[in-house]
Amino acid sequence: GENVEQHPSTLSVQEGDSAVIKCTYSDSASNYFPWYKQELGKRPQLIIDIRSNVGEKKDQRIAVTLNKTAKHFSLHITETQPEDSAVYFCAASISSYQKVTFGTGTKLQVIP
Amino acid sequence: DAGVIQSPRHEVTEMGQEVTLRCKPISGHNSLFWYRQTMMRGLELLIYFNNNVPIDDSGMPEDRFSAKMPNASFSTLKIQPSEPRDSAVYFCASSGRGGVGDTQYFGPGTRLTVL
Repeated sequence: GENVEQHPSTLSVQEGDSAVIKCTYSDSASNYFPWYKQELGKRPQLIIDIRSNVGEKKDQRIAVTLNKTAKHFSLHITETQPEDSAVYFCAASISSYQKVTFGTGTKLQVIP
Repeated sequence: DAGVIQSPRHEVTEMGQEVTLRCKPISGHNSLFWYRQTMMRGLELLIYFNNNVPIDDSGMPEDRFSAKMPNASFSTLKIQPSEPRDSAVYFCASSGRGGVGDTQYFGPGTRLTVL
């Protein structure tokens, strides 16, 4: 089955700096890669996703890149703010299946 | 849209008792997922259903766990008998019509404590 690895497990940045979280996946058939943000005590919520026919996608301060050859994808947050502090999960899914395999999460702390 | 609804939000029970967690997916969604989240193991998929049929239950930890989806608007996850190591937050999620890239929407979760 699919295996998703995520690094780092914790990340501290100064407010205004950029944060990068990296993930790798094992199954070359995976073609959908969502990212979820989970604030303390809350549910995971989708913040951005990318499909295998796209190499990069941006949404304001958030961007995701995908390298299918290397089987890795990354989340980039620019101009970080204290409200970006949360746990971020990457995930991978195979077309025509609903099952999504999650990474182990990255706890991001943005220091004011 | 009310989103995914889970009940109860908190459950405290004693070891050996039966626990039933409930989930109502978003109307029109045809896939439903049960996850368990702990500090040690992270977010684990327990089982998922497509059109009310269990597709993959390989994540169910043992026979003490069972899940049903009798109709498109309701699912249960049952633990019998419960053990302290079952203490976790259990999330239900649903997604839409299938195919590539259907967003999973999570419910608020049920925090289970087994004493």
